This record gives sequence, C-alpha cells and structure tokens, in this order.
Amino acid sequence: GEDVEQSLFLSVREGDSSVINCTYTDSSSTYLYWYKQEPGAGLQLLTYIFSNMDMKQDQRLTVLLNKKDKHLSLRIADTQTGDSAIYFCAEKGSSNTGKLIFGQGTTLQVKP
Amino acid sequence: GAGVSQSPSNKVTEKGKDVELRCDPISGHTALYWYRQSLGQGLEFLIYFQGNSAPDKSGLPSDRFSAERTGGSVSTLTIQRTQQEDSAVYLCASSLDGQGAQPQHFGDGTRLSIL
Repeated sequence: GEDVEQSLFLSVREGDSSVINCTYTDSSSTYLYWYKQEPGAGLQLLTYIFSNMDMKQDQRLTVLLNKKDKHLSLRIADTQTGDSAIYFCAEKGSSNTGKLIFGQGTTLQVKP
Repeated sequence: GAGVSQSPSNKVTEKGKDVELRCDPISGHTALYWYRQSLGQGLEFLIYFQGNSAPDKSGLPSDRFSAERTGGSVSTLTIQRTQQEDSAVYLCASSLDGQGAQPQHFGDGTRLSIL
C-alpha cells in the first residue's frame, strides 16, 4: 500500500541549512508536497514538485526528488528560529480523488 | 474569506453526544477534503468531495461518521455517539479541483475532545 516515511526530529543552529528527508512507496505518485505546521495551526503549503522533475527551488527552499529511490528532501537555507515547526511530506497518487498520503512529520528545532 | 475557515476551533463534549464540524472552503474551490490528525495515527484522509458529491469516502472510520456538502461550498462533518477515540484535530482542505497539481489549502482545524 501507499506509505510515506520521515525521520521524526531534526535540530539545527540558526543560520545553518536544514535538510528534511522523506521516502515513499507509491511508484505512481504524481505530485509531492511539503507542508509546515506551527503549534495550534493548520498546514501551510510550502512547495510542491511534479514527479517528472528532480529539483525545484523557491527562495530559501530547495526540493530534491530522486524518483528511482522514491526519496524526497527539503532543504531550508539560512534556517531561522521562525522555521521551527513540524514539516510534513505528502504524496498524491494516481487515483482521481486527489487525496494526500502524509508522512508522520519531522519536528525541526532551530537553536539560536 | 481568503482562506479555509473551520468552526468551532475547539469543541469539548461528553461521550455519546453527537457533534457537527463545519468547513467553509476558499471561494471557487470545487474540491474539499476532510482529514483527521491524532497522536497515534498521524494525518489520515477521511473523505473527498467534488462539488456536492463524495466520490471517495474510504477514510471514514465507521458508520458513526458522515459528511455532506451543500451548494458546492460549505461542508459539515458529523460524528454520532462520540467515543473517546474520536478525540483529534479535524482538518479541512480545499483545492481548485481534485486533479493535477492543484494544491490543497488547509484550515486551522477543529480540536475535538471527548470526555
């Protein structure tokens, strides 16, 4: 079945780069997404990538996709304390319902 | 409004009572989704609406859960005879349609606590 896995926790120093990793099992995934969740809030869309791309850059965010290994990563350059949150990777499969399958979320802690 | 609006933001109720959760999607978005976020299960898909019909209800955990959408806009998720395991944050999302890359935009959720 469809499954998305993430490491649970990452701690970095302010100013460093953060890399959050995600693996998925559905080879028919069409789009992959990164969402950010701050305490008490919903999910904020950060970026997404189509499965026929291998990289997408958006300001401080870089998404890398290795479709062969079914591995997705999110790099945050110059990480700030305001980036502390839970980051979710999600994949949309080939079904026509558009439902997302989420990973467990990675808690990013940014130390000053 | 500019974003997805959910109400109430918090709901505390006694076991056995019925609850209704409301979602007001972004104007013009034809696709609407309900998800549940709980500590043990993470983020789980519940149901998908395209317009007023629900082509995918596969995530509803039991027949105590139902949802409807009227006028292609507002949706209500109803949980009957609530149980303690229903305690979770219920998130609603909408997108322009259910196809392609159209990303889903989420509301802030309803935090449901069953005593």
